[in-house]
Amino acid sequence: GAVVSQHPSWVICKSGTSVKIECRSLDFQATTMFWYRQFPKQSLMLMATSNEGSKATYEQGVEKDKFLINHASLTLSTLTVTSAHPEDSSFYICSARGDPGQGIGTDTQYFGPGTRLTVL
Amino acid sequence: EDQVTQSPEALRLQEGESSSLNCSYTVSGLRGLFWYRQDPGKGPEFLFTLYSAGEEKEKERLKATLTKKESFLHITAPKPEDSATYLCAVLHYNTDKLIFGTGTRLQVFP
Repeated sequence: GAVVSQHPSWVICKSGTSVKIECRSLDFQATTMFWYRQFPKQSLMLMATSNEGSKATYEQGVEKDKFLINHASLTLSTLTVTSAHPEDSSFYICSARGDPGQGIGTDTQYFGPGTRLTVL
Repeated sequence: EDQVTQSPEALRLQEGESSSLNCSYTVSGLRGLFWYRQDPGKGPEFLFTLYSAGEEKEKERLKATLTKKESFLHITAPKPEDSATYLCAVLHYNTDKLIFGTGTRLQVFP
């Protein structure tokens, strides 16, 4: 139980284009999802917290207009990197926290497999 | 300021050589401490949640313990497939945010 998927697993795009990454909780419902970014040999950096049906809360220093987050349902959140540039190249990871009553930890964040974004 | 420090940064073990990883934390109100395993190019895989001092959790060759200042991840008779980066994270009582340590990179050689 508590499986989170991400799609795509990797993407290469040209500078100036937009890229959408999907995060799905496959076997549980998640009112809250999180988006992280990870640079090589570094730990995870929280970008934003996404709540179903409401606007995402971004961490300080994260550009809201560049990283658009939509959390349209209890099982799906999307991150769109708009007008991507080479400095946006990174490993993006989402996580989901299960709602109470589903037999999984309600404080625990379950992570997806990550999406490797390369901007040329 | 809430902080999580993991040590050592890297650990090389011979297969079967037991050891412990340390996670020291400073947080004004601990709601929970989490251990994750991360393989290269993958997302973190959940291992354990610990909520109170004295609590212990076990899974196969791994055992996590918690005190008021630190947590240990004990690895008993490790195998090469245990090679990964182990991440510790704390959850503050009043926030949704996980504060991660920088991880311990474990390599187990046959």
